[in-house]
Amino acid sequence: EAQVTQNPRYLITVTGKKLTVTCSQNMNHEYMSWYRQDPGLGLRQIYYSMNVEVTDKGDVPEGYKVSRKEKRNFPLILESPSPNQTSLYFCASSKAGTSYEQYFGPGTRLTVT
Amino acid sequence: AQSVAQPEDQVNVAEGNPLTVKCTYSVSGNPYLFWYVQYPNRGLQFLLKYITGDNLVKGSYGFEAEFNKSQTSFHLKKPSALVSDSALYFCAVRDRGSNSGYALNFGKGTSLLVTP
Repeated sequence: EAQVTQNPRYLITVTGKKLTVTCSQNMNHEYMSWYRQDPGLGLRQIYYSMNVEVTDKGDVPEGYKVSRKEKRNFPLILESPSPNQTSLYFCASSKAGTSYEQYFGPGTRLTVT
Repeated sequence: AQSVAQPEDQVNVAEGNPLTVKCTYSVSGNPYLFWYVQYPNRGLQFLLKYITGDNLVKGSYGFEAEFNKSQTSFHLKKPSALVSDSALYFCAVRDRGSNSGYALNFGKGTSLLVTP
């Protein structure tokens, strides 16, 4: 089944404790992206990757890191999480090209206390 | 800059009645337009998109949307609503000439409630 998977689905952590949210897709998509969803704000892009070893900042990159060492994986790293990073996070992937729709993972709900 | 507006936070409709979820957009060039649906505790699912051609686009689950260039709108419609259509709906736009990494610019979402 074609899908985007994320782990963990739920995570409660404390301020400053480094964490990684994994994302993997099995559709051989070149493009991958991370969004965060907050009430009243919709989805905002954090980082994206056009292909292996090619990443760039989205609209809200502060406090996040990413890497793209393999085509299928695009982990999101929070080196020192803070409470304002409490949010619902989505990974997405698509074929390269602006006309293609993105496929979303199930989401990771992160709470930073 | 590109932006999307979904003017209604919530739309209520009775089952069997037609539904419309509104979306207007602003892009500097020509747009690609998308609708996604989010069910509780789930990720976003793609419904339909407008790329070019016919202004009326048909998508999944009986939904359709009409692209209106003069009004810069892309309203989502369904002739007969089902209770199971109750969900959060997002409109998204991408400037086809954009070099911002294929980023989708999302509206804030409209909650659709279909009552029996």
